[in-house]
This record gives sequence, C-alpha cells and structure tokens, in this order.
Amino acid sequence: AAGVIQSPRHLIKEKRETATLKCYPIPRHDTVYWYQQGPGQDPQFLISFYEKMQSDKGSIPDRFSAQQFSDYHSELNMSSLELGDSALYFCASSLRRGENEKLFFGSGTQLSVL
Amino acid sequence: DQQVKQNSPSLSVQEGRISILNCDYTNSMFDYFLWYKKYPAEGPTFLISISSIKDKNEDGRFTVFLNKSAKHLSLHIVPSQPGDSAVYFCAASEGTSYGKLTFGQGTILTVHP
Repeated sequence: AAGVIQSPRHLIKEKRETATLKCYPIPRHDTVYWYQQGPGQDPQFLISFYEKMQSDKGSIPDRFSAQQFSDYHSELNMSSLELGDSALYFCASSLRRGENEKLFFGSGTQLSVL
Repeated sequence: DQQVKQNSPSLSVQEGRISILNCDYTNSMFDYFLWYKKYPAEGPTFLISISSIKDKNEDGRFTVFLNKSAKHLSLHIVPSQPGDSAVYFCAASEGTSYGKLTFGQGTILTVHP
C-alpha cells in the first residue's frame, strides 16, 4: 500500500540558507500535518492543512511557511535557517473523519543546519 | 511546559511477559489519547487510541487504560514479543483537532528473547 512520501530524506544546509521539504500524502487523504522532532525530544506540531486550506497552527516560527497544493502534496519552506532548526521533520496525512481520524506518518526529513 | 509526560525513558521486558507503559497528562481539555510506535529511521505508526468517554480499549495484544481522575493512561502489551522493541509515544488531542497531537517524550521498550 502507498505510504506518505517525504523528500528529501536528508538535507544539509548552512545557517541563513533556505530549505524546502516536500510531502506527498497517501492517495485520497485530504489532510496533511507537519511535525518537528528535535534531538531527544518529542514531536512538536507545526501546522496542518485540510483541503488545501490551513486548518491548525502550532509552534511554527514566522521564518517557516507551508502550503498544500491542488494535488494535495504539501511543502514546508524554511528561511534564515538557524542551528536550532536541525531536527527530524515529519509529515503525516489522514482522511478527516472526526474521532476515527488516524494519522499516517512519513519517514521524515532529517535537516542538519551547520 | 510538558503537557504529556512519559516518566520512564526506557523499559526492559522478557519475551512472553507483560509490558506496561505509562503516561500522564496535565491538560484537562485533552479528550482523545493515542499510542504510537516508532522504529529507527521510520515515522511513528499508530497503535491504539481511546476516547475520554471510555476507560479501556483493547486491540489484540494491546490494551489502553484511561484514568481520567488521575489524568493517567497506560498501554499494556501481552504477551510481549521481540518485534515490539521500539520507542512508544503517548499522544493526546483536544476537541475536534484530532490530528493536532501533543506527544510525550517516548519510552524505549526492549523485549529480550
């Protein structure tokens, strides 16, 4: 079965550079979530989209922006990268159905800022 | 401010025995709780969930118990298998934001053959 695809798997950037992370949800899923997991930390919710509209916002820095496109894939754009942005970024997709909503996570993009 | 806490960073269990993973939360607005399992280099995988209107949910070898008055939930795995060795995350959500999860720090479960 198709899973959530994230690209790239690994990304190395310098401070103050920009990065774009991509997420391809499971076919027919209408909702995408982005999470950030720092070293030794729990995943933190960043932002979510439902039917291409932002649905919820968490602890996402102003330097980050995201969108969901007409084909439901999503991109997380990160500018003016800082050392503290080094983390594992997970994307998850779901079919919004209330309490029975289940998130399916991708394998993540490991971002290293040097 | 850690709203979901897993106070045991690790747990070691013998194959065939019961594994009990614990989770505490502080936000009384949480009304939906989930357990996720994570292997290295993979994303979290959904295991089992429970709504705040229930106190127990069972799925095969996995049972989740919820004690709302104590703001505590636990995951029981019986019998434990070596393939269960992974990091287990407790997570919670509130209201209709079912996918906006607050995670605990995770517990590393090791099941020895």
